[in-house]
Amino acid sequence: AQSVAQPEDQVNVAEGNPLTVKCTYSVSGNPYLFWYVQYPNRGLQFLLKYITGDNLVKGSYGFEADFNKSQTSFHLKKPSALVSDSALYFCAVRDTSDYKLSFGAGTTVTVRA
Amino acid sequence: KAGVTQTPRYLIKTRGQQVTLSCSPISGHRSVSWYQQTPGQGLQFLFEYFSETQRNKGNFPGRFSGRQFSNSRSEMNVSTLELGDSALYLCASSLGGPRIVNTEAFFGQGTRLTVV
Repeated sequence: AQSVAQPEDQVNVAEGNPLTVKCTYSVSGNPYLFWYVQYPNRGLQFLLKYITGDNLVKGSYGFEADFNKSQTSFHLKKPSALVSDSALYFCAVRDTSDYKLSFGAGTTVTVRA
Repeated sequence: KAGVTQTPRYLIKTRGQQVTLSCSPISGHRSVSWYQQTPGQGLQFLFEYFSETQRNKGNFPGRFSGRQFSNSRSEMNVSTLELGDSALYLCASSLGGPRIVNTEAFFGQGTRLTVV
């Protein structure tokens, strides 16, 4: 079975500083990886995905993610965080056998002004 | 293009009752998945429908069921509600089909179910 892990429950950064949210994955075969963000009492919003190709993936709202096959990681990054980036972030992997999305436990990001 | 629409947004039910939640996917999307989100368990997969057929099912009791209609709209039903069923229920739609592995899912805003 495929899975992702988000080792940090919480990440706190100051506005203007770089933001990193960590994700590691475990798959058999090719990884299909996704990042989502959730604001309070809302559904999940798609940020970006890695399917194949460049290891640096660019997504919405200035976010990007670094795919590292040797470290089985897919860390989400933003060079300069905004207070409005404060939210719950989920990493997910698409299972290639039954197609379901499996999510990590989520990381709460707080950006202080 | 309209997004994924879930109705109702909020629901309060009593233990033992049953509930039906509705999801209208993005036009053209044939795959609909349902997830339960709770603070303790995170996001848990309930089931996925594609072209009116249940393609996958998570580890939930038989009280949780769903269906998909010919227009791809989906409903999920929970019978004999328990306090532990209180959660945010999220629906996600995607194109489905053979390229589903590399397509993202789009989520609705969810239905907040409270069982009292």
